[in-house]
Amino acid sequence: AQSVTQLDSQVPVFEEAPVELRCNYSSSVSVYLFWYVQYPNQGLQLLLKYLSGSTLVKGINGFEAEFNKSQTSFHLRKPSVHISDTAEYFCAVTPGDSSYKLIFGSGTRLLVRP
Amino acid sequence: ETGVTQTPRHLVMGMTNKKSLKCEQHLGHNAMYWYKQSAKKPLELMFVYSLEERVENNSVPSRFSPECPNSSHLFLHLHTLQPEDSALYLCASSHGTASSYEQYFGPGTRLTVT
Repeated sequence: AQSVTQLDSQVPVFEEAPVELRCNYSSSVSVYLFWYVQYPNQGLQLLLKYLSGSTLVKGINGFEAEFNKSQTSFHLRKPSVHISDTAEYFCAVTPGDSSYKLIFGSGTRLLVRP
Repeated sequence: ETGVTQTPRHLVMGMTNKKSLKCEQHLGHNAMYWYKQSAKKPLELMFVYSLEERVENNSVPSRFSPECPNSSHLFLHLHTLQPEDSALYLCASSHGTASSYEQYFGPGTRLTVT
């Protein structure tokens, strides 16, 4: 069965510093990959997704992620974070065979400090 | 209203009560989902409806009963719940059930079972 591992449960960072949130998945087949963000008391919002093509994917709010098939990773990055980026970030994967099943990681809480 | 809405936002119920959660999507989507989000655990897919037909029941106890009267509305009927059922229940929708489709999430209903 597929699984998604987010290695860091919490990442504290100072404002304007760069950040990387790590995501690894286990799969031997083609996959689609997603990053979602959840702000307090809200649902999940899509940041970006990888379906095919360029391995560097740009999303909203200045975030980007790089798909690395050999390392089965899809790490999320932002060169300069803001206080407003404080939220929970979820990596998710679906098999690329028409399955609707999103498999989520356990989440990484990004805490941006002034 | 835009996007995906859920009511109520908060619900406290006793183990012998019967209540319902409501989800409505204003996006013209054909697929709707219920997820359970518990603390420190990945999101769990509970049910999936495509064109008002249930296509997934992810080993969910019978005390949770979904209903999808049309493609815009989704309900989750609750009865004789257990304290471990306390969680955030998220509704989502998508254009279809293909894995490439982004899922749009509502803000969730925070359920507390006493």
